[in-house]
Amino acid sequence: QKEVEQDPGPLSVPEGAIVSLNCTYSNSAFQYFMWYRQYSRKGPELLMYTYSSGNKEDGRFTAQVDKSSKYISLFIRDSQPSDSATYLCAMDNEYGNKLVFGAGTILRVKS
Amino acid sequence: EAQVTQNPRYLITVTGKKLTVTCSQNMNHEYMSWYRQDPGLGLRQIYYSMNVEVTDKGDVPEGYKVSRKEKRNFPLILESPSPNQTSLYFCASSAQNEAFFGQGTRLTVV
Repeated sequence: QKEVEQDPGPLSVPEGAIVSLNCTYSNSAFQYFMWYRQYSRKGPELLMYTYSSGNKEDGRFTAQVDKSSKYISLFIRDSQPSDSATYLCAMDNEYGNKLVFGAGTILRVKS
Repeated sequence: EAQVTQNPRYLITVTGKKLTVTCSQNMNHEYMSWYRQDPGLGLRQIYYSMNVEVTDKGDVPEGYKVSRKEKRNFPLILESPSPNQTSLYFCASSAQNEAFFGQGTRLTVV
């Protein structure tokens, strides 16, 4: 079993839809939870960052962490074609030296 | 502008011919790492470095070497590349759990 599981998709939605992306994990030592966005032929870039449990909102994006269930989510409201990308969840322990990535979910937002 | 610069962006080589992929960062970060990205497997860490002259294996280190003689540079060395090392490689520089990635190097070993 992988440490971090993420459905690869692709997930195809119409413009304006609410998108839900999820990851599950098995390592209870993870304390930092991140979402990276990767456009085609580019390196990943940090989108959202959360420490421990709870929610974090940034514009149209909301990240949720449920440590009791070992489950994290990224919600995108009013999705746009420019949101089409691969979204990777990532997690790290308290020492910040072992970033582990999910396989990434391909998202396609159709106009 | 904060940057991680990798070179080359694309490389086709033959089995057994030594190659080096360079990585340089301008953010004065202590932590740097190399990843490979393969379909369905996501990003897997090859090697990482906590500081100058301090390197350690990641999850998939076999067939790779690294060095960290200067803070800004972290080259990835393939002494004898094999076809199973065909992949997309990313260098990253990190601080406070935020990783900044380079543009990637697409390597094909034939």
